[in-house]
Amino acid sequence: QSVLTQPPSASGTPGQRVTISCSGSSSNIESNTVNWYQHFPGTAPKFLIYSNHRRPSGVPDRFSGSKSGTSASLAISGLQSEDEAYYYCSTWDDSLNGPVFGGGTKVTVL
Amino acid sequence: EVQLLESGGGLVQPGGSLRLSCAASGFTFKNYAIHWVRQAPGKGLDWVSAISGSGDATYYSASVKGRFTISRDNSKNALYLQMNSLRAEDTAVYYCAKESMVTLGGAIGEMDVWGQGTTVSVSS
Repeated sequence: QSVLTQPPSASGTPGQRVTISCSGSSSNIESNTVNWYQHFPGTAPKFLIYSNHRRPSGVPDRFSGSKSGTSASLAISGLQSEDEAYYYCSTWDDSLNGPVFGGGTKVTVL
Repeated sequence: EVQLLESGGGLVQPGGSLRLSCAASGFTFKNYAIHWVRQAPGKGLDWVSAISGSGDATYYSASVKGRFTISRDNSKNALYLQMNSLRAEDTAVYYCAKESMVTLGGAIGEMDVWGQGTTVSVSS
């Protein structure tokens, strides 16, 4: 059971907008910034969003992040076939004194 | 180019030991905290341990505390994870990951570069 809760799956057709939620608590999301990672099985995870909404260089602006209270979300607009991957939210947990991850959401492009 | 390369994975019996290494290049290694994150078969990402840039601060998940030891050699740009008393549930791909920011003496959990991973299998 992950400390952060994500839906196991999400899907959309090409061009649609998909949103992934990430629910935590006062000791993690509410107190710290949220990061998102994109992961294709068998490869290194990719740094996608940091500080709740900032994109590292090279990440398309189709990806956006937000946070409110104990929850965060990742939105993918203009969904493309290459976006089919697993997405993980993460943040620092003050009680556990380390980073925690969500269980991951598999995004499928229909 | 910033790179991380893990090594040392393999098959080990329950109760056995293994030492993972992570070779870093392309950045000032001593300035950055580094993490170990694992992914068990069919499961999600699971944080294991972290160490500050200086090596003075270490962090462990509850599931590995007392069994695993993280260390680094800044003169060799290398990170290590000594894993003792291994269990079947430690079977996973182990990634090392660099923090995105220089943090003096600590870690914040924001990981911008990851290695390709090394596979650890614990089985009799």
